[in-house]
Amino acid sequence: AQKITQTQPGMFVQEKEAVTLDCTYDTSDPSYGLFWYKQPSSGEMIFLIYQGSYDQQNATEGRYSLNFQKARKSANLVISASQLGDSAMYFCAMREALEDTDKLIFGTGTRLQVFP
Amino acid sequence: NAGVTQTPKFRVLKTGQSMTLLCAQDMNHEYMYWYRQDPGMGLRLIHYSVGEGTTAKGEVPDGYNVSRLKKQNFLLGLESAAPSQTSVYFCASSRRGVQETQYFGPGTRLLVL
Repeated sequence: AQKITQTQPGMFVQEKEAVTLDCTYDTSDPSYGLFWYKQPSSGEMIFLIYQGSYDQQNATEGRYSLNFQKARKSANLVISASQLGDSAMYFCAMREALEDTDKLIFGTGTRLQVFP
Repeated sequence: NAGVTQTPKFRVLKTGQSMTLLCAQDMNHEYMYWYRQDPGMGLRLIHYSVGEGTTAKGEVPDGYNVSRLKKQNFLLGLESAAPSQTSVYFCASSRRGVQETQYFGPGTRLLVL
């Protein structure tokens, strides 16, 4: 069965510094996708970034980048130049194929706190 | 575009009561999903739909029913609420296909006493 592991329950980072949130995954499928979502205290789930297993380059979206190391089965999220508004829960997720669509398998999340 | 919206935002039920959660999306997405989020856990799929009039069970379907009478709406029903169904419920939608990003609504917080 596919599994996502986030080993950091909480992380602290100072404003303007970079931070890496860890995510490892387990799958036997050669084709898969990895997602990161942000959940601020208001509760909504905000899509941040996506990495496909066959993508040649690491995904980037503004201040977010994904450090994808396929052999190590890791897909760490890097946030550069942290801002106070980055304080939130961050979830790593992996697509698992259903008969006719996908579902997302989520990790348990990492709570990031950015301090001035 | 409002994206994915959910009503209500918060609800308190007594054990045995019924209720329906409404999800609406204005992105013309074919696929819709219901997840639940419990403390210390990620989201788990309850039911999903790949089109109007079709639904299927996810990982944790027991105690829930769903309907997709219109493409833009996906309803989640609890016929007889139980305390174990206290959770935050998220609706999501995506375009047709097996590698599309799912976009989530703001969530509904449900407390069953």
